[in-house]
Amino acid sequence: AQSVAQPEDQVNVAEGNPLTVKCTYSVSGNPYLFWYVQYPNRGLQFLLKYITGDNLVKGSYGFEAEFNKSQTSFHLKKPSALVSDSALYFCAVRALNSGNTPLVFGKGTRLSVIA
Amino acid sequence: GAVVSQHPSRVICKSGTSVKIECRSLDFQATTMFWYRQFPKQSLMLMATSNEGSKATYEQGVEKDKFLINHASLTLSTLTVTSAHPEDSSFYICSARRGQGSNQPQHFGDGTRLSIL
Repeated sequence: AQSVAQPEDQVNVAEGNPLTVKCTYSVSGNPYLFWYVQYPNRGLQFLLKYITGDNLVKGSYGFEAEFNKSQTSFHLKKPSALVSDSALYFCAVRALNSGNTPLVFGKGTRLSVIA
Repeated sequence: GAVVSQHPSRVICKSGTSVKIECRSLDFQATTMFWYRQFPKQSLMLMATSNEGSKATYEQGVEKDKFLINHASLTLSTLTVTSAHPEDSSFYICSARRGQGSNQPQHFGDGTRLSIL
């Protein structure tokens, strides 16, 4: 079974400060990990993904995420937050080569960047 | 690339009406499409998985006669909410993926806000 935990419902950060949105996962086999962002009344927009290779993955809008196998984590980070980054962020996982299975999503973390 | 178009973006209709939502992959062939439902301030709940040319696989607790899914071509899947009632009001999001059983990412439509009066 696959699962994703996003322990924080809400993260508040001041504009210009670094931000971290946490994610841990559980999957049988090697994970295929994603971060998506959702703005109000919109679908999910892809930010970045990890399959293999470098543990630090760079994505859209200056976001990056670090894969940590021993801690089964895939935290989303950005060095300097913008007010426009305020949105709902979802971490998702599926096992590599797992057939036709869909992504499993965390419950989401609402990020508020304060000017 | 990998654009998914979902239509309509918003529907308001009376109780008892059937509503059809379309999901199209504009620049790729989507062997597999997924339909999600999202309640306010909650995560996405997978409703069903559909493969082109075959019957959809519904998640436990999702009524297949209530939520009819058709995936007739590699670029189009439809979700029809039959005889909709106020409790069906929600945000519905489709997602498409290239290749069955592949490691391709899922791409999402912009969602449909359904409001049943």
